[in-house]
Amino acid sequence: QQQVKQSPQSLIVQKGGISIINCAYENTAFDYFPWYQQFPGKGPALLIAIRPDVSEKKEGRFTISFNKSAKQFSLHIMDSQPGDSATYFCAASRGDSNYQLIWGAGTKLIIKP
Amino acid sequence: EAGVTQSPTHLIKTRGQQATLRCSPISGHTSVYWYQQALGLGLQFLLWYDEGEERNRGNFPPRFSGRQFPNYSSELNVNALELEDSALYLCASSLEGPWVNLAFFGQGTRLTVV
Repeated sequence: QQQVKQSPQSLIVQKGGISIINCAYENTAFDYFPWYQQFPGKGPALLIAIRPDVSEKKEGRFTISFNKSAKQFSLHIMDSQPGDSATYFCAASRGDSNYQLIWGAGTKLIIKP
Repeated sequence: EAGVTQSPTHLIKTRGQQATLRCSPISGHTSVYWYQQALGLGLQFLLWYDEGEERNRGNFPPRFSGRQFPNYSSELNVNALELEDSALYLCASSLEGPWVNLAFFGQGTRLTVV
């Protein structure tokens, strides 16, 4: 199965709160799991990525948690700010066909001031 | 330094017509990728060009085609347009393929088929 299922479809979080977006996959051959951030009128930009040899990766306020046995990974945005308001996409791929990322459907995140 | 630029920003076509979308990669980038982003869906891989050649294509019908020019810019052509072709078409470029994790995306061309 090639799908990557992303939830929720939309999310509203108060400024300073924690935003959590979840993704699940089925293909155990996937070994690269990036998250992209897309602002209106812009293309997606790589935010953070993880490989299955680690369970967590943190970059600033953004953390990916990875659960290999459950085939799930999630993005946590700590101290969410209005500037974080965007659409977030998770994706997955096999390392040797990285351009053929399988993308989630996206989560529209709104941070309320 | 200029990023990936796509033109036009918006394109409205009638069903059955042909659409041509253009992409200029970041200077020095030789790999260009095309993706379709339909409303409510994630990106779907369309085509990968590298050094002027089509290296791979996604699960799309042959009426989706393209090419890469000697200056590494690229063109996506969609023939016999159907209503469901309405989507945002994104182009990305990278120094070398097939590593899209090293790629930068353009702002996209919004194609509307009526």
